[in-house]
Amino acid sequence: AQSVSQHNHHVILSEAASLELGCNYSYGGTVNLFWYVQYPGQHLQLLLKYFSGDPLVKGIKGFEAEFIKSKFSFNLRKPSVQWSDTAEYFCAVNFETVNAGNNRKLIWGLGTSLAVNP
Amino acid sequence: SAVISQKPSRDICQRGTSLTIQCQVDSQVTMMFWYRQQPGQSLTLIATANQGSEATYESGFVIDKFPISRPNLTFSTLTVSNMSPEDSSIYLCSVVDLSTDTQYFGPGTRLTVL
Repeated sequence: AQSVSQHNHHVILSEAASLELGCNYSYGGTVNLFWYVQYPGQHLQLLLKYFSGDPLVKGIKGFEAEFIKSKFSFNLRKPSVQWSDTAEYFCAVNFETVNAGNNRKLIWGLGTSLAVNP
Repeated sequence: SAVISQKPSRDICQRGTSLTIQCQVDSQVTMMFWYRQQPGQSLTLIATANQGSEATYESGFVIDKFPISRPNLTFSTLTVSNMSPEDSSIYLCSVVDLSTDTQYFGPGTRLTVL
């Protein structure tokens, strides 16, 4: 079955520390990859996405992610976190199939709760 | 980007009753999804609600339990029927901007069933 796993469920960092959140998926075919963020009391919003091309993608607020096909991974990074990055981070994957193509359905990881101490 | 509102934002319901959740979008969209997020778990897709066709349900979800209406391109409802405490969850609707292949999410409805 298609699945998405996020390795870190709770992360606590101090401001200015570097961040890397892991995301792996189970499928060897064509995938479209997303990172969403949910700030306290707010909607889920898109941080960045990868469909094709340069495997290093840049998103909002200084975040970036690297797609490594051989490792089935799409890890999220930020060189220096801020207190305002405190949020829940979700990795989501759309698995394209021969029959359904890109059906825009997303399979989600469990999420990582990030707390940044000032 | 699409702006999505949901009503109610939260509710506390008795076992055996039903609740209808509304999702309103500020622009016309073809693709709409309903998700459930149970405590400590990831988002799980309930169904795809495209205008002009019957909703398509994911494995483990059935129309009798989660009937969905999609009367036009800006509105949808999800009903949680004959509720039990196991239905306590956050229910989210999302829409797809086909020009950017991006999903936008509503604020969610937090349901507690006693």
